[in-house]
Amino acid sequence: DIQMTQSPSSLSASVGDRVTITCRASQTIARYLNWYQQKPGKAPKLLIYAASNLQSGVPSRFSGSGSGTDFTLTITSLQPEDFATYFCQQSYSSLLTFGRGTKVEIK
Amino acid sequence: QVQLQQWGAGLLKPSETLSLNCAVYGGSFRGYYWSWIRQPPGKGLEWIGEIHHSGSTNYNPSLKSRVTISVDTSKKQFSLKMSSVTAADTAVYYCARLSYTEQMGNYFDYWGQGTLVTVSS
Repeated sequence: DIQMTQSPSSLSASVGDRVTITCRASQTIARYLNWYQQKPGKAPKLLIYAASNLQSGVPSRFSGSGSGTDFTLTITSLQPEDFATYFCQQSYSSLLTFGRGTKVEIK
Repeated sequence: QVQLQQWGAGLLKPSETLSLNCAVYGGSFRGYYWSWIRQPPGKGLEWIGEIHHSGSTNYNPSLKSRVTISVDTSKKQFSLKMSSVTAADTAVYYCARLSYTEQMGNYFDYWGQGTLVTVSS
C-alpha cells in the first residue's frame, strides 16, 4: 500500500492567514494526488485533482503543487468557510489511499 | 448536475451483512467507476472498492473477502454488501463517482450524503 502522511494533523489560523498543508507519499506517485475538504457531518468535497488542477467551482484561493512524493495544498487568505478538515488521496496505485487529514481550526 | 442518493440499514448486529444502495441522478452512468468509501467516527477515509458500469470490480485487499459490489445499469444504481460485520465496521459509508483520465488519474468528484452504519449487539 502507498502510505500518505499529512502534516500537520491540525493547525490554528486566523481569517486572512495563508495556510499550507503538506502530504508525503511513501513512494513516488507522479502527480496523481488529489485534495478534499470535509466539513462536520458532510461528505468530502473535491478541491484539487492531479496535484494542481482546481476543480470547477472551487475558489482560486485554493492551490496545489508538487510531484513525486511531496505535495502542498495552499489556502491564501483563509475565509470563515474554510475551517474544515483536509485530506489528500493518491491515485497512482489501484489501491486508492488517503491521508489521515489536517484539521484547520479557528485561532 | 450529478447527484448520488444512498440508503440502507443503519444498525446491524455482529455477524450480519451490511447492505447499502446508491442511485445516480443526472449525468452519464456509463464510462465511470462507482465507488464505496468509509470513515470510522473521528477517523480518516478508507476506500472499499469500485465497480464499472460494465460490472468490472476492484476491491481493497483488506476487505475483499467480505465485500461484494454490484451494479444495475438500467436503474443507474450500485450496491455494497459486506458480510460478517463487527464493531470495527462501524463507520459512515459513502458512495462516490470516480472520474478518470489517463493524464489526471482518478479522483472522486461526486459523493453521496453518507450513511452511518453502527454495528452493536
